[in-house]
Amino acid sequence: DTGVSQDPRHKITKRGQNVTFRCDPISEHNRLYWYRQTLGQGPEFLTYFQNEAQLEKSRLLSDRFSAERPKGSFSTLEIQRTEQGDSAMYLCASSLKTGQGYTEAFFGQGTRLTVV
Amino acid sequence: QQPVQSPQAVILREGEDAVINCSSSKALYSVHWYRQKHGEAPVFLMILLKGGEQKGHEKISASFNEKKQQSSLYLTASQLSYSGTYFCGTDRSGYALNFGKGTSLLVTP
Repeated sequence: DTGVSQDPRHKITKRGQNVTFRCDPISEHNRLYWYRQTLGQGPEFLTYFQNEAQLEKSRLLSDRFSAERPKGSFSTLEIQRTEQGDSAMYLCASSLKTGQGYTEAFFGQGTRLTVV
Repeated sequence: QQPVQSPQAVILREGEDAVINCSSSKALYSVHWYRQKHGEAPVFLMILLKGGEQKGHEKISASFNEKKQQSSLYLTASQLSYSGTYFCGTDRSGYALNFGKGTSLLVTP
């Protein structure tokens, strides 16, 4: 296992189209996070899963965004009816939660979305 | 809930020291520090848990003052490879991290 992988690395879409991104976390990690990052800003939290359960979702997140993690393995993030403001780098990260705490989060290389 | 980082940017000459600060208005469970180079993913540096401990490796260390909800990252004898943007991520409940806007660090020869 070489780390968190995301697919695709780049996506250009027309406004109004739907897009879906995939994240494969480090295999033994039970937590998975989605973040969004725009130029000059820190990663902005979107949502996170522990195993297959979506435990937290940003209150700022539009209803056009939905995420799933079937079977607690890979995750998908879907954006419906994309808008130009959705253009950003979408980062996925994973970590391991144990009874004593949790490990650091490892980030994937991200999917850069451009909405034209 | 976004932590505040200072300074926004730092320019150093190789071998100089720097301190990057991170503060929160809310009680924190832990603070995480990451470094991101242009076009790359953030890379983990260290976690600090509440208790005021200081951690570090080589010439990068950090402290966490639980009472003040502040953390500082110390870069000693900076190297060219230290250049990048440093983010602190704060965690209030053992769940997801909220990141600051970052501190851009440039180390010049």
